[in-house]
Amino acid sequence: SQTIHQWPATLVQPVGSPLSLECTVEGTSNPNLYWYRQAAGRGLQLLFYSIGIDQISSEVPQNLSASRPQDRQFILSSKKLLLSDSGFYLCAWSVLAGNTEAFFGQGTRLTVV
Amino acid sequence: TQLLEQSPQFLSIQEGENLTVYCNSSSVFSSLQWYRQEPGEGPVLLVTVVTGGEVKKLKRLTFQFGDARKDSSLHITAAQPGDTGLYLCAGLNAGNNRKLIWGLGTSLAVNP
Repeated sequence: SQTIHQWPATLVQPVGSPLSLECTVEGTSNPNLYWYRQAAGRGLQLLFYSIGIDQISSEVPQNLSASRPQDRQFILSSKKLLLSDSGFYLCAWSVLAGNTEAFFGQGTRLTVV
Repeated sequence: TQLLEQSPQFLSIQEGENLTVYCNSSSVFSSLQWYRQEPGEGPVLLVTVVTGGEVKKLKRLTFQFGDARKDSSLHITAAQPGDTGLYLCAGLNAGNNRKLIWGLGTSLAVNP
């Protein structure tokens, strides 16, 4: 069966510090991978999606970047965090074809102080 | 721009009551998905509807896709405290990018 791992679960970082959130998927090959940010109790904002290694699409201009160095690994990064980067970050995967149903990790609560 | 509007945004009911939440758009989707999310966790897929007019049941939850594939509803019968959570709908863009379009969610609280 497929599983998705996202870590860490919570993170408190000072303004100006770097960020690296990692997500890995097991049990499937060549998945679509996604990074979302969610405001408190509300909908999901798509940040990045990837259909393959080193193929990243950015949805919104921002202080973040994403990389996919391996087929089932997706990394969200920042060189210098801003206060506005605080939020709940979710990684998700879906199959390349079909109805693109998304399967989510547990999320990372990032607080920039 | 494709948008999905969910209503109501917030709903607080007593255990045992029935409720319906709605997901509406002016755009046509090739399929529509419903998710439930609990605080501090990722959304979990409940159902996918594909055919216009389709009805799917998941225990006390009934999902319907509109005939024109522009809207959907979720009906919960005899709500229980365990149904509490954020309900999100997401429509699949039938175009080349095949991205999910997300609604803002309905936050449901079922009080014992």
